[in-house]
Amino acid sequence: AQSVTQLDSQVPVFEEAPVELRCNYSSSVSVYLFWYVQYPNQGLQLLLKYLSGSTLVKGINGFEAEFNKSQTSFHLRKPSVHISDTAEYFCAVSPPSIVTGGGNKLTFGTGTQLKVEL
Amino acid sequence: DTEVTQTPKHLVMGMTNKKSLKCEQHMGHRAMYWYKQKAKKPPELMFVYSYEKLSINESVPSRFSPECPNSSLLNLHLHALQPEDSALYLCATSPRGAKLADTQYFGPGTRLTVL
Repeated sequence: AQSVTQLDSQVPVFEEAPVELRCNYSSSVSVYLFWYVQYPNQGLQLLLKYLSGSTLVKGINGFEAEFNKSQTSFHLRKPSVHISDTAEYFCAVSPPSIVTGGGNKLTFGTGTQLKVEL
Repeated sequence: DTEVTQTPKHLVMGMTNKKSLKCEQHMGHRAMYWYKQKAKKPPELMFVYSYEKLSINESVPSRFSPECPNSSLLNLHLHALQPEDSALYLCATSPRGAKLADTQYFGPGTRLTVL
């Protein structure tokens, strides 16, 4: 079974400052990793994903994340945030291979509320 | 078309009502999902359909009844709900069948309030 820990429930940051949202996972098998963003009263939007290959993944809206297998982390970063980045961010994992009975089940972290202030 | 659409956007219902939520996609995705999300919490998986067949039911109460009439449409029928069922209901799809790990694409959700 997999689990995901998002260490910070809230991250306040000033506009144009850099930000890092932390995500650690636990799994006995290799996993696929995802970051989703949820703006108020909306659904989840895929920011970026790591399936294989280069450990540095670039996503939409200037975000990037780095997969670190030894530290079992997939932290999300943005060099300069904007007010419009204020949202809830979810890290999620799924097993990469066929899992009998398990299906394509995403395991989500508890979310990090990013609040960008002027 | 790269969207998952959900209707209605908002729904208010009494505990004795019967209503349905609808999810539609025209991306040719073969797996479709229903999630429930309470405020300040991550989404919780309810049901998974793979190639129009129910493949996962996460022990959801029978007052929630899913239906997948065709590969583009997913319904969630609601009957005799409780106030604690008030939540954002999210639909998601993924390109291949649900036995293969795949990116899930979410709709905007239906905000349900049960009075």
